[in-house]
Amino acid sequence: TQLLEQSPQFLSIQEGENLTVYCNSSSVFSSLQWYRQEPGEGPVLLVTVVTGGEVKKLKRLTFQFGDARKDSSLHITAAQPGDTGLYLCAGAHGSSNTGKLIFGQGTTLQVKP
Amino acid sequence: DTAVSQTPKYLVTQMGNDKSIKCEQNLGHDTMYWYKQDSKKFLKIMFSYNNKELIINETVPNRFSPKSPDKAHLNLHINSLELGDSAVYFCASSQAGGFLINEQFFGPGTRLTVL
Repeated sequence: TQLLEQSPQFLSIQEGENLTVYCNSSSVFSSLQWYRQEPGEGPVLLVTVVTGGEVKKLKRLTFQFGDARKDSSLHITAAQPGDTGLYLCAGAHGSSNTGKLIFGQGTTLQVKP
Repeated sequence: DTAVSQTPKYLVTQMGNDKSIKCEQNLGHDTMYWYKQDSKKFLKIMFSYNNKELIINETVPNRFSPKSPDKAHLNLHINSLELGDSAVYFCASSQAGGFLINEQFFGPGTRLTVL
């Protein structure tokens, strides 16, 4: 069974702080996605990374895919209360047009004003 | 204009009952999914349909039966509900095809509570 381990599981910080969430696996993924989920809603895609070593930026969020395509990180600069939510990484294997995603356990982020 | 909708939003029922959750997407996607999110927020795929054909069937008790009457709908029927079935169930859809994983669009979830 392929597993994606996220750390930390919970993070409570003050507005303006920086943070990094990690997503690690012993398996190689053809691509990896990050989703954010707010209470009472479904996950929403933030980014897809495909190439080993790839870095993508989305405003204050920076996503990196490990060189070996086994791990990824999400860095948030100057966190704001609106960043509060559950962050999920999800990996896909091989020819992924079946759409099967393996999700990590999630990181619950709380940003206090 | 809702992209992926599910009904009901909340479902409270007794052990042993049979219940259904409905899902509809208006995105024109070929592929639809059912996920289960447990109390620890772990999201796990249950089923996937592509053009009304079952393509992913994870290790799920056969009390769970998905049904896809057409490309835009994927319903989930659960027989003989058990306490452990309590969870939030998410429907999702994506456009199939291509080598790489496509974005999955999730519904708002159905919170099932079995008493």
